[in-house]
Amino acid sequence: DSGVTQTPKHLITATGQRVTLRCSPRSGDLSVYWYQQSLDQGLQFLIQYYNGEERAKGNILERFSAQQFPDLHSELNLSSLELGDSALYFCASSVAAGGNTGELFFGEGSRLTVL
Amino acid sequence: GENVEQHPSTLSVQEGDSAVIKCTYSDSASNYFPWYKQELGKGPQLIIDIRSNVGEKKDQRIAVTLNKTAKHFSLHITETQPEDSAVYFCAASEGADGLTFGKGTHLIIQP
Repeated sequence: DSGVTQTPKHLITATGQRVTLRCSPRSGDLSVYWYQQSLDQGLQFLIQYYNGEERAKGNILERFSAQQFPDLHSELNLSSLELGDSALYFCASSVAAGGNTGELFFGEGSRLTVL
Repeated sequence: GENVEQHPSTLSVQEGDSAVIKCTYSDSASNYFPWYKQELGKGPQLIIDIRSNVGEKKDQRIAVTLNKTAKHFSLHITETQPEDSAVYFCAASEGADGLTFGKGTHLIIQP
């Protein structure tokens, strides 16, 4: 158990809809990262927050947004969903801000299926 | 931004043999190179990492080597066991962004 909690574990929705994925980081971790995992693209970095502030942005679509709340949990909002958005979405947390500062602890992921 | 290439995409070895997975990176500023193992239905988990000021690091049956000049690094697993079967990801970071991952290697240990 990594200590990172993601909900929901599975989500099935229709094209055009909007969903919210939630992540609770490990106790004490200030950084939260969101990654998208699809079969052909591996783990794609979407966005990082550190202590409530956006710190780094990767290949995140404009239809997607995220935020980190004062209690450090984070939410990833996916809107106007398309079939291609079907993937496993991982949240990871770490103590420090930089991607090179040490271990990322991953949750078990939220599997999104868009029909 | 950083680009990480990983080979092979699938590797099948006999139990007890060694396995080697190779990665190359593009950003010479990258200075941190971790390897993650992902078992079915789980999130990736760090198994070993190396920083750019070190050429090799070993932890029991696993080792990682780094060649900064050539911008490539490798994971070596010796005396493979059935529990080594998983997907392995290499990654690189220079600090400003999150980790950039390779596309993964599916390691299959044949009994």
